[in-house]
Amino acid sequence: DSGVTQTPKHLITATGQRVTLRCSPRSGDLSVYWYQQSLDQGLQFLIQYYNGEERAKGNILERFSAQQFPDLHSELNLSSLELGDSALYFCASSSRLRGTGSTDTQYFGPGTRLTVL
Amino acid sequence: AQKVTQAQTEISVVEKEDVTLDCVYETRDTTYYLFWYKQPPSGELVFLIRRNSFDEQNEISGRYSWNFQKSTSSFNFTITASQVVDSAVYFCALKSQGGSEKLVFGKGTKLTVNP
Repeated sequence: DSGVTQTPKHLITATGQRVTLRCSPRSGDLSVYWYQQSLDQGLQFLIQYYNGEERAKGNILERFSAQQFPDLHSELNLSSLELGDSALYFCASSSRLRGTGSTDTQYFGPGTRLTVL
Repeated sequence: AQKVTQAQTEISVVEKEDVTLDCVYETRDTTYYLFWYKQPPSGELVFLIRRNSFDEQNEISGRYSWNFQKSTSSFNFTITASQVVDSAVYFCALKSQGGSEKLVFGKGTKLTVNP
């Protein structure tokens, strides 16, 4: 158990709908990352938040948005869903080692499997 | 640009065989970090190891060992005496120092260990 929790575990919805995926990071971790895993694209970075602020953006569609709340949990909102959005969405978290010039290991949650019908 | 290549899409072995998973990476940064993650059939991503570019010491953890060679930009993973529970998809990932904290993943190698 990584300590990162994601809900729901499975989500089935229809095209055109909107869904929200939720992530709670490990205790003490300030950074949250979202990744999408699909058969054709593999594991792709979507977006990173650090202590409530957006830190980096990857291949995230305009129909997708995210936020990190004061309690550090994060939500990924997916709207106007298309069949191609069906994928496994992972949240990861890490702490930040300030001043060390190092980097942190990202620990992943169990994922939310989204199926768009 | 950063890139990770796992040329082996699928590997199938018989229990107790040794198996090596290859990972080749590309980055222009002099400081970077390499990772291996395991994704069992249940779907979660499990962190296995992290290696810094300035530390070329190889590592052994039980039946697992990792061989990091900067000269060939490779970070290979060997499982000794494989077991059925090792069956999973294994991902190699890269993060370069500076810039985004994102991980760049390879396509993964699916390992099947048969009894």
